[in-house]
Amino acid sequence: DAGVIQSPRHEVTEMGQEVTLRCKPISGHDYLFWYRQTMMRGLELLIYFNNNVPIDDSGMPEDRFSAKMPNASFSTLKIQPSEPRDSAVYFCASSPPRGRAVYNEQFFGPGTRLTVL
Amino acid sequence: GQSLEQPSEVTAVEGAIVQINCTYQTSGFYGLSWYQQHDGGAPTFLSYNALDGLEETGRFSSFLSRSDSYGYLLLQELQMKDSASYFCAVGSGYSTLTFGKGTMLLVSP
Repeated sequence: DAGVIQSPRHEVTEMGQEVTLRCKPISGHDYLFWYRQTMMRGLELLIYFNNNVPIDDSGMPEDRFSAKMPNASFSTLKIQPSEPRDSAVYFCASSPPRGRAVYNEQFFGPGTRLTVL
Repeated sequence: GQSLEQPSEVTAVEGAIVQINCTYQTSGFYGLSWYQQHDGGAPTFLSYNALDGLEETGRFSSFLSRSDSYGYLLLQELQMKDSASYFCAVGSGYSTLTFGKGTMLLVSP
């Protein structure tokens, strides 16, 4: 299996621009998570989906952030407009359905390093 | 909510044994997990404890005491490649994890 795929791997943009991050989960996984990692705040859960439905978006920092999962193999995280404080590494992770695994192991993608100037 | 405490940095030499502690406060508990992250890489799963006691996987072991809200990761026969950040994470249900801030392990020759 190819693992979780994220694109782009690096993104440099200017303040005020729209940024779209993309994720393809592992086939057969029905949970998808978006995380943000910074030195100050560590690894924070932004939002997660189950069977393409957003379950908990309480970690989304503000209305500038939105996430969608139109089908089982694709999700996007959008920031509009972007600000310098959004600079971070954004990880997508997926996990298999409950019942197929004893524990909630999450499989992380390589991440997107976002820099907002 | 959940909160986790772990040391920010630990140093050790090759061949040694190191223990990384984690204490947690949680409103619901579904197990304690450990993840490894090399610099510039993605977190990868190491171990999981749902019940009290020790789980061993090769050179790595993980321990949990639910009554003390405490766990640790034990790394034996340290190698240079073990230099990485190690995160404990608490599950409040099957799906979600709350991660600690991570412990940076530096292994020297």
